[in-house]
Amino acid sequence: DGGITQSPKYLFRKEGQNVTLSCEQNLNHDAMYWYRQDPGQGLRLIYYSQIVNDFQKGDIAEGYSVSREKKESFPLTVTSAQKNPTAFYLCASSMMTATDTQYFGPGTRLTVL
Amino acid sequence: DQQVKQNSPSLSVQEGRISILNCDYTNSMFDYFLWYKKYPAEGPTFLISISSIKDKNEDGRFTVFLNKSAKHLSLHIVPSQPGDSAVYFCAASDFFSGAGSYQLTFGKGTKLSVIP
Repeated sequence: DGGITQSPKYLFRKEGQNVTLSCEQNLNHDAMYWYRQDPGQGLRLIYYSQIVNDFQKGDIAEGYSVSREKKESFPLTVTSAQKNPTAFYLCASSMMTATDTQYFGPGTRLTVL
Repeated sequence: DQQVKQNSPSLSVQEGRISILNCDYTNSMFDYFLWYKKYPAEGPTFLISISSIKDKNEDGRFTVFLNKSAKHLSLHIVPSQPGDSAVYFCAASDFFSGAGSYQLTFGKGTKLSVIP
């Protein structure tokens, strides 16, 4: 069964703590992405990676960090520097072909207490 | 500066009737467009796409129309069903023009409610 998995589904964190969100895909996709969704907002790009060991900042990268040590994995760390971390986080992947459809995981709801 | 705009936050339609969701864009370099459907607390699901060389693409009950001169696309759902109730996101890419790097720009979404 090919797909994208994100864990955990719900995550609670105290202010000042870093937290890492997991994203794994077995679709053999080259590119992976992290988005954030807030109520009434579209999806905003945090970071993306087109190849292992390389990644680029998206529109709202401040307070976040990523790594891409394996093709299948693209974890996102929400650091204490992120001012408003409470949000729904979505991971996606794509083939980077002419029809660049991104496929999404189920998401992680992060709540900062 | 919003490059992809969905000006209607919500839309209500009777079951069996047509749903029309609209999307406008400002970046003329966009050349590939997608629609995603999203249920609460779930990831978006790809629905249908269209490249700029076409003006229409159809898949079952879903049809996307593209008017490049007006920088406007629309998603038609016929007939609408209660299970279609969700938030629909329009997204655009400038892949073919080579100006982008495989990024999608999303609109803010339109919440569709199909009333039985």
